[in-house]
Amino acid sequence: KAGVTQTPRYLIKTRGQQVTLSCSPISGHRSVSWYQQTPGQGLQFLFEYFSETQRNKGNFPGRFSGRQFSNSRSEMNVSTLELGDSALYLCASSLEGTGSYGYTFGSGTRLTVV
Amino acid sequence: KNEVEQSPQNLTAQEGEFITINCSYSVGISALHWLQQHPGGGIVSLFMLSSGKKKHGRLIATINIQEKHSSLHITASHPRDSAVYICAVGNYGGSQGNLIFGKGTKLSVKP
Repeated sequence: KAGVTQTPRYLIKTRGQQVTLSCSPISGHRSVSWYQQTPGQGLQFLFEYFSETQRNKGNFPGRFSGRQFSNSRSEMNVSTLELGDSALYLCASSLEGTGSYGYTFGSGTRLTVV
Repeated sequence: KNEVEQSPQNLTAQEGEFITINCSYSVGISALHWLQQHPGGGIVSLFMLSSGKKKHGRLIATINIQEKHSSLHITASHPRDSAVYICAVGNYGGSQGNLIFGKGTKLSVKP
């Protein structure tokens, strides 16, 4: 079966711009979680969507937002980009996302803000 | 103090050596996950376990719920095992998300 697909793989944006990243989960998985990974901070939780509803949110500013569509595909948006937003953004899909079931991760989107 | 602690942070081994990576946690968990991340970013789930021991090829994962400790063992290590290994615990509903991650162990296996 197809894995988790994240697009685009690489992105270069200018400070102040906005960006939208996409994540298509494994068919049948209703939970999509987003993470930011930087060398200094490791993996940090952004938010989780389940059946089109944001179920949990990490400690990130309001510039970071997301949504999930009826087909479970999810997007995250970062507005007014800052240099510190440069990171690898990973999404993970799970059957129900409580941590008791397996997670499948995408290959990530590497965002560089210049 | 981090809720999920891994040791060691960095590990260099010679090909063929037996390797152990440790993970301790301080919260109640629904399950523990071992993940592998190669350079380039993609994360692969190796194991999910809530008790006992699991084995897949040369990889073995164990968990002791009472001691809140898990280990990942690699037998007959190979250079292709070089990667970052991340321990994550399932902790539903917390502000850190449903998975709390350790900082990772960077493994380098020399030929």
